Amino acid sequence: SQKIEQNSEALNIQEGKTATLTCNYTNYSPAYLQWYRQDPGRGPVFLLLIRENEKEKRKERLKVTFDTTLKQSLFHITASQPADSATYLCALAFPGASNTGKLIFGQGTTLQVKP
Amino acid sequence: DTGVSQNPRHKITKRGQNVTFRCDPISEHNRLYWYRQTLGQGPEFLTYFQNEAQLEKSRLLSDRFSAERPKGSFSTLEIQRTEQGDSAMYLCASSSSDLDTEAFFGQGTRLTVV
Repeated sequence: SQKIEQNSEALNIQEGKTATLTCNYTNYSPAYLQWYRQDPGRGPVFLLLIRENEKEKRKERLKVTFDTTLKQSLFHITASQPADSATYLCALAFPGASNTGKLIFGQGTTLQVKP
Repeated sequence: DTGVSQNPRHKITKRGQNVTFRCDPISEHNRLYWYRQTLGQGPEFLTYFQNEAQLEKSRLLSDRFSAERPKGSFSTLEIQRTEQGDSAMYLCASSSSDLDTEAFFGQGTRLTVV
């Protein structure tokens, strides 16, 4: 079955630095990959989507890369701020599921940005 | 429209009781999903509706779980004879039918079975 692995350890960085989060998957490549932010006790909030034929996507201070050879996506937050502290979830949709929008999530990586 | 709404936000129930959760999706979205999330894990897919039709169910959804979306608008998720292992956050999400679109999640219902 498909497995998705994100950094299992919490990531602690200093304000102003770039945070880099990793999402690795096994087996076949997804049709697209999404990143979500989740705050404690809240539902996930969509951040970015990248398709299998795209290498990189940017939105303000966020950047996502997608390498189907390595089966990996990297999520970067530049000039990080304490308000960026949250859990970040990687989610994949597979070709058969792209007609339904069903997502398979990683376990999430908790980011803590210290002032 | 203020987004996906879930009720109740919290539910504490005794083992063996039945519980029902409600989800009101974004009004123009015809896709609706239920996910379950336990502490330290990502959401796990439970079931999917396209309008009123339930088109996919996870093997996680045992016979004690049932979901409906009677008029293609709001949805309910019922758990019968709750067990302690059912304690989790139940998340509802909706999306449009556009290809490669994001899901909009509600705030979830936190279920605690004692």
